[in-house]
Amino acid sequence: NAGVTQTPKFQVLKTGQSMTLQCAQDMNHEYMSWYRQDPGMGLRLIHYSVGAGITDQGEVPNGYNVSRSTTEDFPLRLLSAAPSQTSVYFCASKGSGGAIDTQYFGPGTRLTVL
Amino acid sequence: GQQVMQIPQYQHVQEGEDFTTYCNSSTTLSNIQWYKQRPGGHPVFLIQLVKSGEVKKQKRLTFQFGEAKKNSSLHITATQTTDVGTYFCAGRRATNKLIFGTGTLLAVQP
Repeated sequence: NAGVTQTPKFQVLKTGQSMTLQCAQDMNHEYMSWYRQDPGMGLRLIHYSVGAGITDQGEVPNGYNVSRSTTEDFPLRLLSAAPSQTSVYFCASKGSGGAIDTQYFGPGTRLTVL
Repeated sequence: GQQVMQIPQYQHVQEGEDFTTYCNSSTTLSNIQWYKQRPGGHPVFLIQLVKSGEVKKQKRLTFQFGEAKKNSSLHITATQTTDVGTYFCAGRRATNKLIFGTGTLLAVQP
């Protein structure tokens, strides 16, 4: 199993550009989520999904869109990049059921918006 | 805003000293999890606590969940250089959202 994969690892955008951060998992997990990590702020939840076709907003959803057409993939779209979106983005997944609520994180995408 | 706070933000210890980080939530949690993130890496799951007053140990690490299920702590005995990293708590709320704390960065001087 590859676990949770993210592409790209690094990205530089200009203000106003759009792009999609890719996330995929091969563990057949129902629950997937996107976080951003900024210094001193910890990890903040952007959007999450409890299964294919179902998404919901987290703490900081503005400026981001998500969709979940398959169980495996959960892309994050930046509609019009802003410098405030410079951050490290982590995708995570977890299975449903069971006693342990473990989330598995991808390696992250380091995004800089100029 | 941030609803799960951690203190301290940063701790520098000499190797062999103990270390504790505290996590406080504004609301009752269904469970609390702890993660470790090495510099440049991604968060890795350490443990989950579910019951009020629960205490769990992993070698030199001791995790506690408060009686009111609003706070938690992680204590490391006799730190080693391999303990370096940021420790996050994460609280699972009734809405199923997992809210992360602000993290504590641990530096260990050999």
